[in-house]
Amino acid sequence: DQQVKQNSPSLSVQEGRISILNCDYTNSMFDYFLWYKKYPAEGPTFLISISSIKDKNEDGRFTVFLNKSAKHLSLHIVPSQPGDSAVYFCAARNNNDMRFGAGTRLTVKP
Amino acid sequence: DVKVTQSSRYLVKRTGEKVFLECVQDMDHENMFWYRQDPGLGLRLIYFSYDVKMKEKGDIPEGYSVSREKKERFSLILESASTNQTSMYLCASSLVIGEKLFFGSGTQLSVL
Repeated sequence: DQQVKQNSPSLSVQEGRISILNCDYTNSMFDYFLWYKKYPAEGPTFLISISSIKDKNEDGRFTVFLNKSAKHLSLHIVPSQPGDSAVYFCAARNNNDMRFGAGTRLTVKP
Repeated sequence: DVKVTQSSRYLVKRTGEKVFLECVQDMDHENMFWYRQDPGLGLRLIYFSYDVKMKEKGDIPEGYSVSREKKERFSLILESASTNQTSMYLCASSLVIGEKLFFGSGTQLSVL
């Protein structure tokens, strides 16, 4: 069963605009959430994370929001750049168990 | 930065062959992982290891085995490759289990 879901397989955004990538989860025991970015022909790389005791974490152009009551997290990229075009995976942790979503392919058009 | 190196970028094998996928990390991480990535399914954990000669099954261990004889090296073995094992295989390591993973570039395996 997929405990972490990214319901949008793809997203297209104009350069300079905001990109919002969404992730939903079903297990209320998840206590730590991460986003990874994956370029073609490369492995995923860690982007940003958030603990369940917080509702927001910011790192430069990237902000992750966590809504525990809705079991929802989102990644905001502002402003979006063509170099952000990649597949983004969200992941959630319960103890040592890490679960990944299916990924969202972001395309940022110049 | 941690470097995780997977020995092959692309592999083509025949059904029934024994396949070895090798992974080496250079940052003295205790924990190493093998995932497979399939469209629409994300990353699924096959096996992980938290110490030399130690291994634990992940979600989809059937048809796979692993070997960790040295801390820096974690091998995935397909005992008898089948077409449903055609996939992208990703090796990863972490300093602390449950914390961020460092991934290799992946091996795209095709079983014909």
